[in-house]
Amino acid sequence: AQSVAQPEDQVNVAEGNPLTVKCTYSVSGNPYLFWYVQYPNRGLQFLLKYITGDNLVKGSYGFEAEFNKSQTSFHLKKPSALVSDSALYFCAVREYNNAGNMLTFGGGTRLMVKP
Amino acid sequence: NAGVTQTPKFQVLKTGQSMTLQCAQDMNHNSMYWYRQDPGMGLRLIYYSASEGTTDKGEVPNGYNVSRLNKREFSLRLESAAPSQTSVYFCASNRAGQGPMNTEAFFGQGTRLTVV
Repeated sequence: AQSVAQPEDQVNVAEGNPLTVKCTYSVSGNPYLFWYVQYPNRGLQFLLKYITGDNLVKGSYGFEAEFNKSQTSFHLKKPSALVSDSALYFCAVREYNNAGNMLTFGGGTRLMVKP
Repeated sequence: NAGVTQTPKFQVLKTGQSMTLQCAQDMNHNSMYWYRQDPGMGLRLIYYSASEGTTDKGEVPNGYNVSRLNKREFSLRLESAAPSQTSVYFCASNRAGQGPMNTEAFFGQGTRLTVV
């Protein structure tokens, strides 16, 4: 069975500093990996995805993520955090050969960027 | 440019009442999903439909039923609501397939359901 872990419930960072939100996954085959952001009282918004190809994936709002197969990780990063980046972030995985097309989400990490 | 539309946005039910949450997408996606979001537990998959005419159980299907009415619409029914079903419900859709054919999931705005 596929699974996703986000080991940090909350990440605090000062505005202008780099940020990292961690994600590790477990699948039996090749993974599709996704990051989503959720603002208060809103649905989830897609940030970026890894399907195949370059391990460094660039997405919306200056975010990027690095796929590391040996460490089964897909950490979300941004070089310089903004207060407006404060939100709830979810990592998700879908197994390449999963005929059921199920997306499995991590528990979420709340990012707090302080001025 | 509607994307995924869910109705209603808010609902309060009494224990034992039934209701149907509606979801429609206009992106010609083959796969649709229902999730519930509870504090500290992320999103948990209730049911999904890989393609029109098929539905499958997810992680937490008990107390729910679904209908994939056509390619656009995927409804979630609570036959006898319980306080444990108080949650925020999200519908999502994507084009699921191999390699570049696999798109990210698009989410509706959510339905906040309270069962008293």
